Amino acid sequence: EADIYQTPRYLVIGTGKKITLECSQTMGHDKMYWYQQDPGMELHLIHYSYGVNSTEKGDLSSESTVSRIRTEHFPLTLESARPSHTSQYLCASSEFGGGAAYTEAFFGQGTRLTVV
Amino acid sequence: DQQVKQNSPSLSVQEGRISILNCDYTNSMFDYFLWYKKYPAEGPTFLISISSIKDKNEDGRFTVFLNKSAKHLSLHIVPSQPGDSAVYFCAASDIQAGTALIFGKGTTLSVSS
Repeated sequence: EADIYQTPRYLVIGTGKKITLECSQTMGHDKMYWYQQDPGMELHLIHYSYGVNSTEKGDLSSESTVSRIRTEHFPLTLESARPSHTSQYLCASSEFGGGAAYTEAFFGQGTRLTVV
Repeated sequence: DQQVKQNSPSLSVQEGRISILNCDYTNSMFDYFLWYKKYPAEGPTFLISISSIKDKNEDGRFTVFLNKSAKHLSLHIVPSQPGDSAVYFCAASDIQAGTALIFGKGTTLSVSS
């Protein structure tokens, strides 16, 4: 069972509000990711981190920002939410890299964000 | 340009029969492939994976086949069960470089009883 948690599960918020989506994992993984997914579409990588104080933007441009101050915590922030941000946001962590571990990425249950 | 393609948006199968889900990729650096199952409003759950040094990996009812020359992989589910109804995502990674997973658009599998 994966030990990665996202809160909230569902969020409905008004345009212009600042929001933070929380993601925490207890597996000690260095690598963490944020994906965005709309129905019928692929999961798009929007941010990733390979360790504390390391953050990079993913393939899909996003107005959100992330931070990685602690290994277990990788929050995503939207300074001013817009209806175009309505989507499902999925956090994941893994031990990929250096050929050391052929293993999977573990996903949280996701946050369904609706901006009205 | 999509690096991982699942060209069938949906698949319908009768209970007890075989389900075959297909996936193609374009990046020859990919050396690790995974299948995930996803229900609406939930996160993906890992099903099975295969590294590029193998051409087949089996886990219970699930078997993944990899054809590197064709850059194609498939997931076989035998026998299919109604509880298998979900969206199935193919994902790929350059594991040596430790890159993040790149996902296809998914195939919605419906298994009828």
